[in-house]
Amino acid sequence: GAVVSQHPSRVICKSGTSVKIECRSLDFQATTMFWYRQFPKKSLMLMATSNEGSKATYEQGVEKDKFLINHASLTLSTLTVTSAHPEDSSFYICSARGGTNYGYTFGSGTRLTVV
Amino acid sequence: QKEVEQDPGPLSVPEGAIVSLNCTYSNSAFQYFMWYRQYSRKGPELLMYTYSSGNKEDGRFTAQVDKSSKYISLFIRDSQPSDSATYLCAMRGKNTGNQFYFGTGTSLTVIP
Repeated sequence: GAVVSQHPSRVICKSGTSVKIECRSLDFQATTMFWYRQFPKKSLMLMATSNEGSKATYEQGVEKDKFLINHASLTLSTLTVTSAHPEDSSFYICSARGGTNYGYTFGSGTRLTVV
Repeated sequence: QKEVEQDPGPLSVPEGAIVSLNCTYSNSAFQYFMWYRQYSRKGPELLMYTYSSGNKEDGRFTAQVDKSSKYISLFIRDSQPSDSATYLCAMRGKNTGNQFYFGTGTSLTVIP
């Protein structure tokens, strides 16, 4: 089946530093990947849609200069949280479309804590 | 009004019980309906997928979609402690692009 690997699973960083999160499709090519943010007891919030070889499409209210997305290959998308602040602390999850038409596979998520 | 409404629970049931989880939605264009299971600190995993109205059964899980009422359900029979997780409903339509609309998730605990 389709597998999406997300790394790291947990990261703690100091305020003002940048953090990169990787999302890889292991056994399929993902032309489109999605980045979500999830707050405790809240729904997944779509941040941006990442297409291989082109600029990401950001949802309203998401700062594209703060959340840099790169989708340089068919199997890798990265999310960089720049100049992180404590309010950026959250659970970030990627997903990729692969396999069947409805088969959106999620990564295991990254818990970011900014101190 | 949110696109998708889901009771966050928490829901606590004894082992062996039948669990009913539900979502309502407002967008009549939604046609694809999914249920995801999310364990703590993990990404969601797809449990059930249904297109349009009807029922779908997979082992102990049954998904129902009633488009006329804009209401979907997930039933878990003979619930097990390993079913303890958060269950998220998700849906999209042909004209909503690739974007999924998620419920907030229902936290379920199955007590041995």
